[in-house]
Amino acid sequence: QSALTQPASVSGSPGQSITISCAGTSSDVGSYNLVSWYQQHPGKAPKLMIYEGSKRPSGVSNRFSASKSGNTASLTISGLQAEDEADYYCCSYAGSSTYVFGTGTKVTVL
Amino acid sequence: QVQLVESGGGLVKSGGSLRLSCAASGFALSDYYMSWIRQAPGKGLEWVSYISSSGSTIYYADSVKGRFTISRDNAKNSLYLQMNSLRVEDTAVYYCARCSNYAQVDWGQGSLVTVSS
Repeated sequence: QSALTQPASVSGSPGQSITISCAGTSSDVGSYNLVSWYQQHPGKAPKLMIYEGSKRPSGVSNRFSASKSGNTASLTISGLQAEDEADYYCCSYAGSSTYVFGTGTKVTVL
Repeated sequence: QVQLVESGGGLVKSGGSLRLSCAASGFALSDYYMSWIRQAPGKGLEWVSYISSSGSTIYYADSVKGRFTISRDNAKNSLYLQMNSLRVEDTAVYYCARCSNYAQVDWGQGSLVTVSS
């Protein structure tokens, strides 16, 4: 149950697009299209942004999109806004009702 | 609306025990799988445990297996985490979460557990 690998930080200017990668293995990300993504502002609980690989819950902006290629999932934030500055975590189903989270990425809006 | 409220956290010495509770409202707990996730100070999220809607299926992360026990009381709309043989490295904010579609859809505000040596 090793954590999925994410870049420690990603930054971009307002209006730009950024992409956060989430590297797993053939036992988790590669085996299931069941990656979820969470946004966490300082001192707050995480918020679900993407589930089942690319689906957005009701109320989540369509500026957030996600995809997967092989053992790596990605989250793209388009039209970056100041409110998007937060920590982002990926999470993959890993079989037998277990889950593994990513190491987390701090997004900075310049 | 959905609300999850954790309680029971606090300061405990290494080797001690604590029981966390998670009170659910705004939905029928019996309809959902539930998870506990923790976050050590300044660190990332770590999935801890998972329980099916009936309580018949339970899984734990290797890091807590044999020491933590997850349970639920659907009649009381409550989820629990009994933590025994606590270690310094168990220090974290513990979140309960409602699960759906293989994701943690709703989260509580968290309960801080501090284990001292």
